[in-house]
Amino acid sequence: ETGVTQSPTHLIKTRGQQVTLRCSSQSGHNTVSWYQQALGQGPQFIFQYYREEENGRGNFPPRFSGLQFPNYSSELNVNALELDDSALYLCASRTGGTGELFFGEGSRLTVL
Amino acid sequence: QKEVEQNSGPLSVPEGAIASLNCTYSDRGSQSFFWYRQYSGKSPELIMSIYSNGDKEDGRFTAQLNKASQYVSLLIRDSQPSDSATYLCATLYTGTASKLTFGTGTRLQVTL
Repeated sequence: ETGVTQSPTHLIKTRGQQVTLRCSSQSGHNTVSWYQQALGQGPQFIFQYYREEENGRGNFPPRFSGLQFPNYSSELNVNALELDDSALYLCASRTGGTGELFFGEGSRLTVL
Repeated sequence: QKEVEQNSGPLSVPEGAIASLNCTYSDRGSQSFFWYRQYSGKSPELIMSIYSNGDKEDGRFTAQLNKASQYVSLLIRDSQPSDSATYLCATLYTGTASKLTFGTGTRLQVTL
């Protein structure tokens, strides 16, 4: 149990649609990051939020956007879905210090 | 060029044997190193972290780090069928954002 919960666990969308994925983490975990894991690959860093501000971004286009709320919950939004966006989307949080990152169970997105 | 390299496997070891998983990384600025275990269809689970050169032991797991050679390894003693999973190596570079860079993972099969 990592204290990080994600919803929904599975969803199917069609190309061109928009999707919002949600994440909540434990109180005190003030840093949240999102990763995309395609089949057979390692997770790829999308972006990180600290105290409701994006403070780092990976090599993902602007149609990937996010929010972090005062209660430490977070959202990942993806616009204009493409087939290659099909992946497991992972939310992770840390308390700082050691840098250990704990993942939620993930949201598996299928784009048809 | 991939920043974190792992042999994709599968690595097959008999039950009770030692499994040795290896990882090399290219970014000399990496400061922390992690091993995650990922069962099929599940999210990555942190099993070991290591921050300084040498060995770190936790139960049946030993992580080894050699920063000069840019090499990290994970040994699993007395391998069990329940250890069968994909093992992901990750490095942390703390800059503007604390971003984990993952390898593609090594699939371990423990045979009876």
